[in-house]
Amino acid sequence: EVQLLESGGGLVQPGGSLRLSCVVSGFTFSRQAMSWVRQAPGKGPEWVSVVGGSGTITHYADSVKGRFTISRDNSKNTVYLQMNSLRAEDTAVYHCAKGEPLHSWFDPWGQGTLVTVSS
Amino acid sequence: EIVLTQSPATLSLSPGERATLSCRASQSVSSYLAWYQHKPGQAPRLLIFDASNRATGIPARFSGSGSGTDFTLTITSLEPEDFAVYYCQHRSNWPGTFGQGTKLEIK
Repeated sequence: EVQLLESGGGLVQPGGSLRLSCVVSGFTFSRQAMSWVRQAPGKGPEWVSVVGGSGTITHYADSVKGRFTISRDNSKNTVYLQMNSLRAEDTAVYHCAKGEPLHSWFDPWGQGTLVTVSS
Repeated sequence: EIVLTQSPATLSLSPGERATLSCRASQSVSSYLAWYQHKPGQAPRLLIFDASNRATGIPARFSGSGSGTDFTLTITSLEPEDFAVYYCQHRSNWPGTFGQGTKLEIK
């Protein structure tokens, strides 16, 4: 059974940092590009970042470029999202998903972890 | 950026009825369109990809159609578990975008 399990969300003040993790099982992790997709309250999903299978290629949405860093540890079947300089508009549920923009659909997804940026 | 507009925002129907959800793109996305189902607290699930192909394990009551700028998700006979929010997404260009969703609620 394929499973993606996110963790690391929480309440953080503006300007603060959080590190999200997503542990994956059920498919050959190291061969797959992995993305983070977020959904703010009342809005549609928004792709945030992608990392290639080897971890050397990464891309970011303009809204998070320079503040977020995606990485992966293939020995642990885990993908990470380091989020710095957080803003109120980063408040969202963050999902990890197998897939990458332009080249594939997002499938499957994890159920997400909530990040709230507020003072 | 290609904008996807979904309609209606909310659709109120009863089990057994037919649901028709629309997704319109601001410019052509060819057939690079998918539909996802999302229930509260659960992982979003891919239903339809490439406009009309059902993903693995998706019941035959779900079907997708369209190309270019106008797309439709049809659920022929609603089951209680189908009441959820549905999103369309394109991958015609970088980085792809999602629609704002249609909430399918029980009437």
